[in-house]
Amino acid sequence: GAGVSQSPSNKVTEKGKDVELRCDPISGHTALYWYRQRLGQGLEFLIYFQGNSAPDKSGLPSDRFSAERTGESVSTLTIQRTQQEDSAVYLCASSLGTGDTEAFFGQGTRLTVV
Amino acid sequence: AQSVTQLGSHVSVSEGALVLLRCNYSSSVPPYLFWYVQYPNQGLQLLLKYTSAATLVKGINGFEAEFKKSETSFHLTKPSAHMSDAAEYFCAVSYTGRRALTFGSGTRLQVQP
Repeated sequence: GAGVSQSPSNKVTEKGKDVELRCDPISGHTALYWYRQRLGQGLEFLIYFQGNSAPDKSGLPSDRFSAERTGESVSTLTIQRTQQEDSAVYLCASSLGTGDTEAFFGQGTRLTVV
Repeated sequence: AQSVTQLGSHVSVSEGALVLLRCNYSSSVPPYLFWYVQYPNQGLQLLLKYTSAATLVKGINGFEAEFKKSETSFHLTKPSAHMSDAAEYFCAVSYTGRRALTFGSGTRLQVQP
């Protein structure tokens, strides 16, 4: 498809388990972002990748969170030893670059930790 | 640190009334500013963006926003609200260079019949 694709769309996991969320950006987009949106709240920046530069990890809330991106393609966000407070919608976005370029968002992955 | 503040987490207007959603940014360098909308159970989509070409920016669905450097503001307006405008609206800021797109906390707009 032409848009940003995220999978799975929904994930229910038990506390303490690891989860992996996937994002397929729009082809050719060099910038990729991960955000977290807790129920009724705004978008919390987690991490972003820009081309081959080192990612900006300044938004990751703890060392249980990590993300990888292969070149300018797929990205995976991994949460280890999930906690109930990790329950949220995880949004991925991609853009042609930074600055004035529009970010295109996926539909998100709704993570529920029980 | 650069940031963006949205005043009012909830705004309620009557159908046909003026919509005004407030956004202020803080930065020492010229920003790029965006408004995104999130309709219920949908992803975020761009309403409009400011990129220094013009201070008054027109977007989709009749929305517009004016960049006021002296007030460090980028408020979103629409002359006449429609029921279909009910959604969550997010202001965001970005800059040239390796910096992430940063969002405000959002404003939920309700439109009363």
